[in-house]
Amino acid sequence: DVKVTQSSRYLVKRTGEKVFLECVQDMDHENMFWYRQDPGLGLRLIYFSYDVKMKEKGDIPEGYSVSREKKERFSLILESASTNQTSMYLCASGVPGQTYEQYFGPGTRLTVT
Amino acid sequence: LAKTTQPISMDSYEGQEVNITCSHNNIATNDYITWYQQFPSQGPRFIIQGYKTKVTNEVASLFIPADRKSSTLSLPRVSLSDTAVYYCLASGAGSYQLTFGKGTKLSVIP
Repeated sequence: DVKVTQSSRYLVKRTGEKVFLECVQDMDHENMFWYRQDPGLGLRLIYFSYDVKMKEKGDIPEGYSVSREKKERFSLILESASTNQTSMYLCASGVPGQTYEQYFGPGTRLTVT
Repeated sequence: LAKTTQPISMDSYEGQEVNITCSHNNIATNDYITWYQQFPSQGPRFIIQGYKTKVTNEVASLFIPADRKSSTLSLPRVSLSDTAVYYCLASGAGSYQLTFGKGTKLSVIP
């Protein structure tokens, strides 16, 4: 089974802090994704990466950056956390050409106070 | 914006077959229909994917008519553990992006 793990299930940070969310997948997938999920808004794509050191903006990249130095690891960075970034963050991985089948991690519930 | 429309919620009794319909009037010719399941406090899980006609796996069946304007996810003999949100998505095989709508919250009643 594909396993996607995220560094924390729950995280509480203060406004203005720099926040790192890490995601690791064990299936050698080229594609990796970061989403956030909010009630009433569904899942929204923040960034994705189709290869090491490659990244593309999703629908809501403002206030976020990403890093992919190794194939198995994709990090989401909040440079200066704000309260409107309180959300559930979900990482996923997948195979090129089969984007419809993504494997999601358990999520990180981030609260910014 | 999501290309699909589905009911906000559905209720079903245990042991019944559940059919969740999804409308997608304007999907592209290279779009696949995909369904995901999400339990509370977990990430979505891929259930099934199809292009046309019928696809069946160990979890569900997916019916897509020839005009591809809608599709139906069929869950046979649901149990309480099938209580979840089910998302219908349309995405191109070459696209990186999955666009999730609001999904259908299925509640299975004892």
